[in-house]
Amino acid sequence: EDKVVQSPLSLVVHEGDTVTLNCSYEVTNFRSLLWYKQEKKAPTFLFMLTSSGIEKKSGRLSSILDKKELSSILNITATQTGDSAIYLCAVGDNNAGNMLTFGGGTRLMVKP
Amino acid sequence: GAGVSQSPRYKVAKRGQDVALRCDPISGHVSLFWYQQALGQGPEFLTYFQNEAQLDKSGLPSDRFFAERPEGSVSTLKIQRTQQEDSAVYLCASSLLTSLASYEQYFGPGTRLTVT
Repeated sequence: EDKVVQSPLSLVVHEGDTVTLNCSYEVTNFRSLLWYKQEKKAPTFLFMLTSSGIEKKSGRLSSILDKKELSSILNITATQTGDSAIYLCAVGDNNAGNMLTFGGGTRLMVKP
Repeated sequence: GAGVSQSPRYKVAKRGQDVALRCDPISGHVSLFWYQQALGQGPEFLTYFQNEAQLDKSGLPSDRFFAERPEGSVSTLKIQRTQQEDSAVYLCASSLLTSLASYEQYFGPGTRLTVT
């Protein structure tokens, strides 16, 4: 059974800080790793990492996939209060059709 | 453009009642997924459709849960004889399958079900 574990469970920082969120996974036949940001409603897509695209960057957010360590990190630099959310990591397994297996999320709170 | 929509956004049901949750995926999206998200947890897979075919229902927790997508667009998740443990947010997601196999899923806002 595929498994995704995120750490820390929650994090409180101040505006301007840099944060690193961790995701580790166990999957039978790795296809992709996705990061989502969930505020009060729908998770919104941030990045998808695959064997052919192990590093992604968008503005202050960046993510790296380490296939040897079976993990990924999500970095947020110069955090803003609007970054406060739950960050979800999910993996796709080639042996599991199109379903995603999600971790429990990291709850980030950015204080002014 | 329009995203994934779900209705109702909130539903309170008495234990034993049947409920029906609706999902309108993004137009043209072939794949549709239902997830259950308990408080403080990540979403957990329930079932998956490709067009009108339900290809995977391995995540449905019991035979009280039933999903359909008869015309390959709108989907309904039905829960019969609701129990308190069914209280959760039910998320619907859709994705566009292309020859490059895009697996990015777009989520709806969810339906928060509370069973009293």
